[in-house]
Amino acid sequence: NAGVMQNPRHLVRRRGQEARLRCSPMKGHSHVYWYRQLPEEGLKFMVYLQKENIIDESGMPKERFSAEFPKEGPSILRIQQVVRGDSAAYFCASSPPLLAGVAEQYFGPGTRLTVT
Amino acid sequence: AQSVSQHNHHVILSEAASLELGCNYSYGGTVNLFWYVQYPGQHLQLLLKYFSGDPLVKGIKGFEAEFIKSKFSFNLRKPSVQWSDTAEYFCAVKKAAGNKLTFGGGTRVLVKP
Repeated sequence: NAGVMQNPRHLVRRRGQEARLRCSPMKGHSHVYWYRQLPEEGLKFMVYLQKENIIDESGMPKERFSAEFPKEGPSILRIQQVVRGDSAAYFCASSPPLLAGVAEQYFGPGTRLTVT
Repeated sequence: AQSVSQHNHHVILSEAASLELGCNYSYGGTVNLFWYVQYPGQHLQLLLKYFSGDPLVKGIKGFEAEFIKSKFSFNLRKPSVQWSDTAEYFCAVKKAAGNKLTFGGGTRVLVKP
């Protein structure tokens, strides 16, 4: 049973370009979470999605960032017009359908974004 | 907003020494608690979790953690570490009725052989 897959593992973008990060959840998991880890910091929640729905985007920057989890295919975190401050490791996690709020999250290997 | 603090950023110890990593959170309601580990070059893995019941939780690789509700703490322990325990350890908290994890800043543990 494959774990959470993320690609690419490393992504280099110049300032002003777009970054697209992909996440395929574990089989049977319908909930996806994105977290960002800035250098020397812990992970910070960004967004929580179910298929075709954004459930909680309280951690997303107001501009340039968007996320989707379509009916078919992986979840995508999109960063438009990247800036140096976007350089970070972006982690995706997935969980099975929640049972009374009790479900652990399984993490992918992360995508390390470097903006030059 | 809830927050999670891990007291030590870096810990260096020798093999066979005992390890205790502190974790405190700020949220007065019911919580779920987690410890994750990230070995060098690898992704986050769950060490152990607490949802309810016995506040002393045993996890993988000989780790355990104790939930002390009155102290808002969930400290991680291992009686005798090995070189392979070198990693970064993250405490995380989730409101019981919520979805998102709030992480502490992490503790880097270096075990000298």
